Amino acid sequence: AQSVSQHNHHVILSEAASLELGCNYSYGGTVNLFWYVQYPGQHLQLLLKYFSGDPLVKGIKGFEAEFIKSKFSFNLRKPSVQWSDTAEYFCAVKPNTDKLIFGTGTRLQVFP
Amino acid sequence: DVKVTQSSRYLVKRTGEKVFLECVQDMDHENMFWYRQDPGLGLRLIYFSYDVKMKEKGDIPEGYSVSREKKERFSLILESASTNQTSMYLCASVGGTGVTSPLHFGNGTRLTVT
Repeated sequence: AQSVSQHNHHVILSEAASLELGCNYSYGGTVNLFWYVQYPGQHLQLLLKYFSGDPLVKGIKGFEAEFIKSKFSFNLRKPSVQWSDTAEYFCAVKPNTDKLIFGTGTRLQVFP
Repeated sequence: DVKVTQSSRYLVKRTGEKVFLECVQDMDHENMFWYRQDPGLGLRLIYFSYDVKMKEKGDIPEGYSVSREKKERFSLILESASTNQTSMYLCASVGGTGVTSPLHFGNGTRLTVT
């Protein structure tokens, strides 16, 4: 069965530290890739997406993600996190012929 | 801006009660979804609908049903609530084929079944 793995369940960082959250999926065909973020008390919202073109995708609030097809990965990065980045982050994969599949989420806590 | 509105933010129900969770979107989206969100399990798809009166089972449909009588409204029904249905329920919508478009989510309904 198709699946999405987020190996980091809980990440704790200090402000200004660099961030990389892993996302791997198991599907060999064409996929569309998303990162969603859920800030405390708010609804899930799109952070960035990839469906074709440049594999390095830039999103809102300084986040970026790189699609590496050979590794079936779409890791999320930010060079310098802020306290306001404290949230839960979900990777999601949509195979062209199937429905969206979410990872289990990574809870990020940033301390000032 | 797309708005997805879930009628209740918090609900407390007793075991065996029939529970209705309502969701309304204002962007004429064809596709609507119900997920439940549990710690460590992420979002799991319960049911979705790609048109009025159409419904498809997701990954965990047992114990749930849905209704889509109007395009803008998608209801999730717990016929007889059980304690293992205590969870956060998220409604989402997307237009067109939804292949590359992101989902738009509501704020969620936190349901507690006692």
